[in-house]
Amino acid sequence: KAGVTQTPRYLIKTRGQQVTLSCSPISGHRSVSWYQQTPGQGLQFLFEYFSETQRNKGNFPGRFSGRQFSNSRSEMNVSTLELGDSALYLCASSLEATRINGYTFGSGTRLTVV
Amino acid sequence: AQSVTQPDIHITVSEGASLELRCNYSYGATPYLFWYVQSPGQGLQLLLKYFSGDTLVQGIKGFEAEFKRSQSSFNLRKPSVHWSDAAEYFCALNSGGGADGLTFGKGTHLIIQP
Repeated sequence: KAGVTQTPRYLIKTRGQQVTLSCSPISGHRSVSWYQQTPGQGLQFLFEYFSETQRNKGNFPGRFSGRQFSNSRSEMNVSTLELGDSALYLCASSLEATRINGYTFGSGTRLTVV
Repeated sequence: AQSVTQPDIHITVSEGASLELRCNYSYGATPYLFWYVQSPGQGLQLLLKYFSGDTLVQGIKGFEAEFKRSQSSFNLRKPSVHWSDAAEYFCALNSGGGADGLTFGKGTHLIIQP
């Protein structure tokens, strides 16, 4: 059974550009959430999608957005990149809405903004 | 607001010795609690989870954790550590049912001495 797949693994972008990250959840999982990990702030919740609907969003500016497709794959987009957006972005999937069985994380996308 | 505190940023343990990683939480009700482990450059792997019932939960890789409501704690333990246990450990909380994602502690970096 394939795990959570995130692409690309590494990305270098210039300030002001935009970037799109992709996440394919475990087959059958309908919930996908995104997290940002930085040395200073640690792991922070970005947003969660279930059945193509955003259910909640963390405390991030509107430059951070996401979507989920009918096959549960998800993308997150960051526009007008800032140096502070450099981070490891982690995607997690869960089987059901209550997430009672926990989340399975991907290996992440390492974004560097220069 | 909910929060998770991991008081120890770094812990050094000799191989074969026992381990206890501390986690304290703040939440108005009984939360869903998780322990994750992260190796360098990797995503998060779920070690164990607590939702209700038996307060001593068993996880993978020989780890266990005990939920103590009176102390708002969920400490992770292992009777005998191996060099491969060296990693970053995160305690996390979720309200369960609410779409607010996981709230993580800052993590504890575990160093294993030979």
